[in-house]
Amino acid sequence: KAGVTQTPRYLIKTRGQQVTLSCSPISGHRSVSWYQQTPGQGLQFLFEYFSETQRNKGNFPGRFSGRQFSNSRSEMNVSTLELGDSALYLCASSSRTENTGELFFGEGSRLTVL
Amino acid sequence: AQKVTQAQTEISVVEKEDVTLDCVYETRDTTYYLFWYKQPPSGELVFLIRRNSFDEQNEISGRYSWNFQKSTSSFNFTITASQVVDSAVYFCALSEVHRNTPLVFGKGTRLSVIA
Repeated sequence: KAGVTQTPRYLIKTRGQQVTLSCSPISGHRSVSWYQQTPGQGLQFLFEYFSETQRNKGNFPGRFSGRQFSNSRSEMNVSTLELGDSALYLCASSSRTENTGELFFGEGSRLTVL
Repeated sequence: AQKVTQAQTEISVVEKEDVTLDCVYETRDTTYYLFWYKQPPSGELVFLIRRNSFDEQNEISGRYSWNFQKSTSSFNFTITASQVVDSAVYFCALSEVHRNTPLVFGKGTRLSVIA
């Protein structure tokens, strides 16, 4: 069974640009969550989608957005990039409809903003 | 608000030593889940264990064991006879069921096992 796949794995952008990251969950999983990981703040929750609906949202500015498609694949977008957006962005999927927190993570997309 | 504290930022041990990673949590929910994840250098978080708030039994899986104590709000993780392959960052996490909050992670403990 294929795991969670994230693309691209690495990317470099400059301030002011925008970026779109993609996540393909494990087949059959309908919940997708996104986390930002930085050395200073650790792992911070961005948002969660279930059946194309945003179920939960973290405390991030509106520049961070996401969506989920009917095949459960998800994308997140960051507009007007800032240096502080440099981070590892992790996607996780879950098969459970209720919130039990058992997540399966991808290897992440490492974003560098110059 | 829910919170997970891993006071140990970095631990270094010599191979075959036992090591315990501490985790203290805060929650107002009566039903919650606690987790440990391992993050090797590749970046992917690997699920190790989930424990619900009603099950305080300690668990052992090979060289890994977990000690859950509600009285001290702790969920500690012990690796027995550590190996170099255990070197990674380990995260403790909490999710609240009734409050439907997302998984909240501690800052992680970086474990280095030296041969």
